[in-house]
Amino acid sequence: KAGVTQTPRYLIKTRGQQVTLSCSPISGHRSVSWYQQTPGQGLQFLFEYFSETQRNKGNFPGRFSGRQFSNSRSEMNVSTLELGDSALYLCASKGRLAGDIQYFGAGTRLSVL
Amino acid sequence: DAKTTQPPSMDCAEGRAANLPCNHSTISGNEYVYWYRQIHSQGPQYIIHGLKNNETNEMASLIITEDRKSSTLILPHATLRDTAVYYCIVRVANNYGQNFVFGPGTRLSVLP
Repeated sequence: KAGVTQTPRYLIKTRGQQVTLSCSPISGHRSVSWYQQTPGQGLQFLFEYFSETQRNKGNFPGRFSGRQFSNSRSEMNVSTLELGDSALYLCASKGRLAGDIQYFGAGTRLSVL
Repeated sequence: DAKTTQPPSMDCAEGRAANLPCNHSTISGNEYVYWYRQIHSQGPQYIIHGLKNNETNEMASLIITEDRKSSTLILPHATLRDTAVYYCIVRVANNYGQNFVFGPGTRLSVLP
């Protein structure tokens, strides 16, 4: 079974631009969560999507948004990029096993110049 | 804030057992404890989880105290490839639902 796939792996943008990151979950998983990891703040929860609906969100500004498609693939978008948005963005998918285990992708490393 | 506390770092000799402690004194009765590890700049890798009984899989063992206020992850024969940051996680409720909250974890260094 293929794991969680995130594309692209690396991205360089400049301040003020916007960016879209993609996540394909494990086949059969309907929940996708996004996290931001920075050296200063560690791993922080952004939001979770389930069946095309956002059902949970963390404490991030509205510049961070996401969506989920009918095939459970998800995208997250960051608009008006700031230098502080430079981070590793991780996606995790979850099935219906007891215990809510999340499986993470390798991440997209975003550098904002 | 994370509901768990872990030592910031630990060393372990290669081939010996690595015992990583975690305190989760405010855990509620139906919450699982999850362990993940992250090798530098990769995505976190699921290791094991448990509710109240001790658990074992091909990667590790999880020992949960009877009062469920703490747990220990055991890597029985640590190798150099086990060098990583280990996270002990309990889900945290916010205004919208529950989600994983990662603390700083324990940086395990396996030494040759």
